[in-house]
Amino acid sequence: SQTIHQWPATLVQPVGSPLSLECTVEGTSNPNLYWYRQAAGRGLQLLFYSVGIGQISSEVPQNLSASRPQDRQFILSSKKLLLSDSGFYLCAWSVSSGPYYEQYFGPGTRLTVT
Amino acid sequence: DAKTTQPPSMDCAEGRAANLPCNHSTISGNEYVYWYRQIHSQGPQYIIHGLKNNETNEMASLIITEDRKSSTLILPHATLRDTAVYYCIVRGLRYNFNKFYFGSGTKLNVKP
Repeated sequence: SQTIHQWPATLVQPVGSPLSLECTVEGTSNPNLYWYRQAAGRGLQLLFYSVGIGQISSEVPQNLSASRPQDRQFILSSKKLLLSDSGFYLCAWSVSSGPYYEQYFGPGTRLTVT
Repeated sequence: DAKTTQPPSMDCAEGRAANLPCNHSTISGNEYVYWYRQIHSQGPQYIIHGLKNNETNEMASLIITEDRKSSTLILPHATLRDTAVYYCIVRGLRYNFNKFYFGSGTKLNVKP
C-alpha cells in the first residue's frame, strides 16, 4: 500500500531563517506531487506541483521554492522565512496515469514563524 | 474552472442525515463534482465524485441536480467523527494529471 510521509510535524522558526520541509511517498512509482499551504482558518492554497523528477510548477509567486531530486521525494524550501509563511503545509500525491480523481495527503507540517 | 459556493457552516445532530449543499451554476458539460473533507489538523480526504448521475459509496451519497448547477453531499447517519470541513470542487476529469483548488468549504458540526 502507498504511504506518504512528511517531517517535521511541527516547526518554529525565526523570521529570516531558512526552511526545508521534506515529503516522501512509498509504494508507488512516478507519482504527481503537490505542496499546499493552509493559513490559520483559511482554505488550502496550492503552492507547487510536480509531474516528474526535476519538473516543478509554481502556482503563486512567493519566497518559497520546491525541488524533486528523486522520483518519490518532494522538498519545500525557503532562504529567508517571512511571518506570512506561517501555516499548515501539506504534501499530497496522485497517480500519473488512468482516470484521476483522488489526491492523497500527508500528515502535514505546522510551521510557526516568530 | 467553475466556481463553487458553499455555506460556511452547518450543524447536524448525531445519527441524523447531514445534507451539505454546493452551488456550481457555471459548471460545464465535461466537469465533474468532487467532494473532500478535512478533519481538524489532518490533510483532506477524498469522499466521492460524480458527473451527472447520483453516486453512492461507503462514505456518502452525491446527488446532482438535473441541470447540474448544484449538488448535495449526504452523510446518511452523521457521527461525531464526521465533524470536519467539507470541500466541493468542480474540475474536468484528467487522465494523467490534475490540480484541485480547495475553497473555504463548509464546516460541519455534528452535535451529540
